Amino acid sequence: DIQVTQSPSTLSASVGDRVTITCRASQSISSWLAWYQQKPGKAPKLLIYKASSLESGVPSRFSGSGSGTEFTLTISSLQPDDFATYYCQQYNSFWTFGQGTKVEIK
Amino acid sequence: EVQLVESGGGLVQPGGSLRLSCAASGFTFSTYAMNWVRQAPGKGLEWVSYISSSSSNIYYADSVKGRFTISRDNAKNSLYLQMNSLRDEDTAVYYCARVTGTAAAGDAFDIWGQGTMVTVSS
Repeated sequence: DIQVTQSPSTLSASVGDRVTITCRASQSISSWLAWYQQKPGKAPKLLIYKASSLESGVPSRFSGSGSGTEFTLTISSLQPDDFATYYCQQYNSFWTFGQGTKVEIK
Repeated sequence: EVQLVESGGGLVQPGGSLRLSCAASGFTFSTYAMNWVRQAPGKGLEWVSYISSSSSNIYYADSVKGRFTISRDNAKNSLYLQMNSLRDEDTAVYYCARVTGTAAAGDAFDIWGQGTMVTVSS
């Protein structure tokens, strides 16, 4: 099974900050990685697919990069609506989610 | 509007059974693969099961294999999860999620329902 390790688990930041979240896979997954945003009591929302492709309707301040085993999600300028929990997901072999990163207000 | 609506959750005793449903609307359900994903209270996301558009391919997470059965009825635009031999650790919000419809995007999940809560407790 492919394991996915996300870091950090919690991130404190201010509005306007540049934020980076990292995801590492236990073996190469090519570019088959997605990022999701989840707010309390709500379903996850797809932000990025295939490591770096922005889902329709998602603000351009969100970007993804990486391939193989190391990936990053970057929010270029954190907005109030971005305080949430973020999950990465590998879908090279079945589906595995990272543990999540909670982005909270500093 | 593209929409998925889950139902069927509730309180069940350990060892009991429950059947979840997911009603799809706003898209051609029969052409999309579907999944169930769960989230225990205060925890992360866990993929549970996958079914292809024609039901020809079905996969389960090891944690539910042999106890849960995924199925679909394309004529009724509905997805199901039959859960048997339920355990305390199956307590979670259960989401149905659609696989993206493009080869370029691969098998990420682009549409999610609002979830239905399953509580396993005596």
